[in-house]
Amino acid sequence: DADVTQTPRNRITKTGKRIMLECSQTKGHDRMYWYRQDPGLGLRLIYYSFDVKDINKGEISDGYSVSRQAQAKFSLSLESAIPNQTALYFCATSDLGYAQETQYFGPGTRLLVL
Amino acid sequence: AQRVTQPEKLLSVFKGAPVELKCNYSYSGSPELFWYVQYSRQRLQLLLRHISRESIKGFTADLNKGETSFHLKKPFAQEEDSAMYYCAPQGGSEKLVFGKGTKLTVNP
Repeated sequence: DADVTQTPRNRITKTGKRIMLECSQTKGHDRMYWYRQDPGLGLRLIYYSFDVKDINKGEISDGYSVSRQAQAKFSLSLESAIPNQTALYFCATSDLGYAQETQYFGPGTRLLVL
Repeated sequence: AQRVTQPEKLLSVFKGAPVELKCNYSYSGSPELFWYVQYSRQRLQLLLRHISRESIKGFTADLNKGETSFHLKKPFAQEEDSAMYYCAPQGGSEKLVFGKGTKLTVNP
């Protein structure tokens, strides 16, 4: 779904470096999410935002921060990258309808921390 | 606390065999339930939702409130069904909660 884009798609960085992953959406959704995916651990929520002024920690927020610059943009930062942050990162958006919520995912950013 | 369990990390079947991916949830109230799928090198996408009572790509999912389960089933698996499957309940206006996923491999 090209309505949710992530940049970069792949990134290699070194331990201790600060990096930012960006997510943009043209779906007009209020809700945005950042997940990481690791083999055997599935999908884990890092941070989420229900609107521009709302930021919430997920289950694994330590070592990460986010910024919701606009309804359409939600950035994830690793202030000081470490090797166990090597993972596939997904951004998602949703627009809560009555009793149901479909999340639309970006293509993912593959991050390798050396 | 909201909790969803997919007891099988890996599931392997042969083409044409029935397949069932298990999902159990622990939720206060009556959540809505979803299955998401991720094919190789593709992004996650919604497969089906309980509220729609739909069958997508031959898959169905039955909600059993007594057992708090929402297992995904297909009578005849195909090789193209090989993917990662995530069960996700959602309560009211809260966010979705994803299970840890089951990797399904359909062998020829």
